[in-house]
Amino acid sequence: AQKITQTQPGMFVQEKEAVTLDCTYDTSDQSYGLFWYKQPSSGEMIFLIYQGSYDEQNATEGRYSLNFQKARKSANLVISASQLGDSAMYFCAMREPPRENQGGKLIFGQGTELSVKP
Amino acid sequence: DAGVIQSPRHEVTEMGQEVTLRCKPISGHDYLFWYRQTMMRGLELLIYFNNNVPIDDSGMPEDRFSAKMPNASFSTLKIQPSEPRDSAVYFCASSFGWGQPQHFGDGTRLSIL
Repeated sequence: AQKITQTQPGMFVQEKEAVTLDCTYDTSDQSYGLFWYKQPSSGEMIFLIYQGSYDEQNATEGRYSLNFQKARKSANLVISASQLGDSAMYFCAMREPPRENQGGKLIFGQGTELSVKP
Repeated sequence: DAGVIQSPRHEVTEMGQEVTLRCKPISGHDYLFWYRQTMMRGLELLIYFNNNVPIDDSGMPEDRFSAKMPNASFSTLKIQPSEPRDSAVYFCASSFGWGQPQHFGDGTRLSIL
C-alpha cells in the first residue's frame, strides 16, 4: 500500500531563513503525483505546489520549491525567506493513478507543524 | 473565481440526529472528494466521485455515512444517525483530472454532543 512519511512533527525557523520540510513516499507505480498543502490555524487547506513523477524539473511556485529525488522517493518542500505567515501545518500528499473501481486517492502524511520565529 | 463552497461552516447537533453536509465544487472540475480530519487519524479520504459517479467509497466508516452527487455542481455527505465519534472537520475538495491539484473548501466543523 502506498504511504507518505513526514518525519518532522514540528519545526522552528527564523524569519527570513530557508527551511526544508521532509517527505518520503512509497509506491510501486511509475506514474504518480506529489503535492504539498498548507493548513494555517484557521483550518483551510491551501494547495502550494505539485510535482508529477515524470517531471524532470523540480517544481517551483514563488518562495516554494519541491526538491524531488525520485530514486530516493523523497519530495521535500523548501520554503525560502520564511515569513511569519508561513507558520502553519504542512502536509505532503501523493496520488497514484486511478484503477478500475478504485485508486486515484490522495494519501496524506501526518503533517509538519512549522513555526516561524521573528 | 469561486472556490469550493461548503455549508454549513459549523454544525452542532445532538447524538442520533441526521446531519447533512453540502458541497459545491469548482465549475468544470470532474473529481469531487470528501475527507474527514481528526487529531487522532489525520486526513482521511471518505469517498470520491468522477463525473458524478462514486468511484471509491472504501473510506466511508460505516453504513451511517452516505454520499451523493446528483449533478456536477452539488454533493452531499449525510450521517444518520450521528454519534459523538463523528465529530471532526469534514472537507470537500475538487480537481480537474486525477493528477491535478485538489482544491479544498473551508471545511465543516461538526460537533456531535
